[in-house]
Amino acid sequence: QKEVEQDPGPLSVPEGAIVSLNCTYSNSAFQYFMWYRQYSRKGPELLMYTYSSGNKEDGRFTAQVDKSSKYISLFIRDSQPSDSATYLCAMRRNSGNTPLVFGKGTRLSVIA
Amino acid sequence: DSGVTQTPKHLITATGQRVTLRCSPRSGDLSVYWYQQSLDQGLQFLIQYYNGEERAKGNILERFSAQQFPDLHSELNLSSLELGDSALYFCASTRDRNNEQFFGPGTRLTVL
Repeated sequence: QKEVEQDPGPLSVPEGAIVSLNCTYSNSAFQYFMWYRQYSRKGPELLMYTYSSGNKEDGRFTAQVDKSSKYISLFIRDSQPSDSATYLCAMRRNSGNTPLVFGKGTRLSVIA
Repeated sequence: DSGVTQTPKHLITATGQRVTLRCSPRSGDLSVYWYQQSLDQGLQFLIQYYNGEERAKGNILERFSAQQFPDLHSELNLSSLELGDSALYFCASTRDRNNEQFFGPGTRLTVL
């Protein structure tokens, strides 16, 4: 079993829809959780960053972490065609300079 | 623009050859990470340097090596290249004890 599992999609939604992206993980030592957005042929761009369990909201984006279920989510409200990209979840074990463990990414298309 | 730069953008070479990829971290960032992204494996951590010293190793082949120089830029050396080494190579940087990793635009390596 991989440490981080993420449905690769592709996921196609109409403009304005609410999008739900999810990852599960197996290592209970993960404490820091991130979502990156990656456009085609570009580097990953940090979208959301959360510590431990709970919710975090930033504009149209909401990140949720449920450590008891080892499950994290990213919600995108009022989705736009410009949100079409691959979304990668990532996590790490502790603070300081430690490497990230990534999901394989979910490819999202928002259709106008 | 994350502030992390990588050169070259594209590299096409033949099997058995050796190449060097270069990364300049964001100003003030001491830590550099190298990742490999392929279609089947996703983003995989290779190696991390902090202020010139190797800090962590991931799934890095013995044919690959890296270093970080006094000016904090880093180079990833790939030798005896094989077809399977074709991938996107990203570097990311962070500040000391800062968990947010910022990624460069990547180098696309094609081995023919």
